[in-house]
Amino acid sequence: EAGVAQSPRYKIIEKRQSVAFWCNPISGHATLYWYQQILGQGPKLLIQFQNNGVVDDSQLPKDRFSAERLKGVDSTLKIQPAKLEDSAVYLCASSLRGDSPLHFGNGTRLTVT
Amino acid sequence: QKEVEQDPGPLSVPEGAIVSLNCTYSNSAFQYFMWYRQYSRKGPELLMYTYSSGNKEDGRFTAQVDKSSKYISLFIRDSQPSDSATYLCAMSAGTTSGTYKYIFGTGTRLKVLA
Repeated sequence: EAGVAQSPRYKIIEKRQSVAFWCNPISGHATLYWYQQILGQGPKLLIQFQNNGVVDDSQLPKDRFSAERLKGVDSTLKIQPAKLEDSAVYLCASSLRGDSPLHFGNGTRLTVT
Repeated sequence: QKEVEQDPGPLSVPEGAIVSLNCTYSNSAFQYFMWYRQYSRKGPELLMYTYSSGNKEDGRFTAQVDKSSKYISLFIRDSQPSDSATYLCAMSAGTTSGTYKYIFGTGTRLKVLA
């Protein structure tokens, strides 16, 4: 079974620029998550989708972050404009259903200068 | 108080040692308990997934859950240098909307010395 695919692996941008990350979950997984992991910390949930609907975006900074999951499969996460404190690894995860364990991609490492 | 507490380490042990990694939690609603291993510049990889109190064994790894004490552990027997990584505990609980919310610990950095 193919794992969760994410791209790009690395991205360096200047503050106030915009950036987008892409995620392709494991085939058949209904639930998709975006997490932010700052160095030395555990992953923090940004947004959770069930199929193509949002079920939890309470910790998403909506003034600058947006996400969508087209047709209940691929997802994109966008930051516009970026701030220095957005430097982190952005992890995408998927699960078969809500109570199934999460399977993660390798993440996108974002550096904002 | 954080919902999940995990000692960040780092923890250094000699090869062959038994390693004990622990997390405590405050939310009694947590139902599912997981351990993930994360190598540098990689995503977290699921190691163990348990539901009930007690022990679950998989090869050199044993996950232990004590719901009465709100305490979970991961034991690694005969530790190898390849076990050097960050170990994250995670827990999930159902929500009123019928979904599940996952909370992660901060991770414990483990180094196994050859």
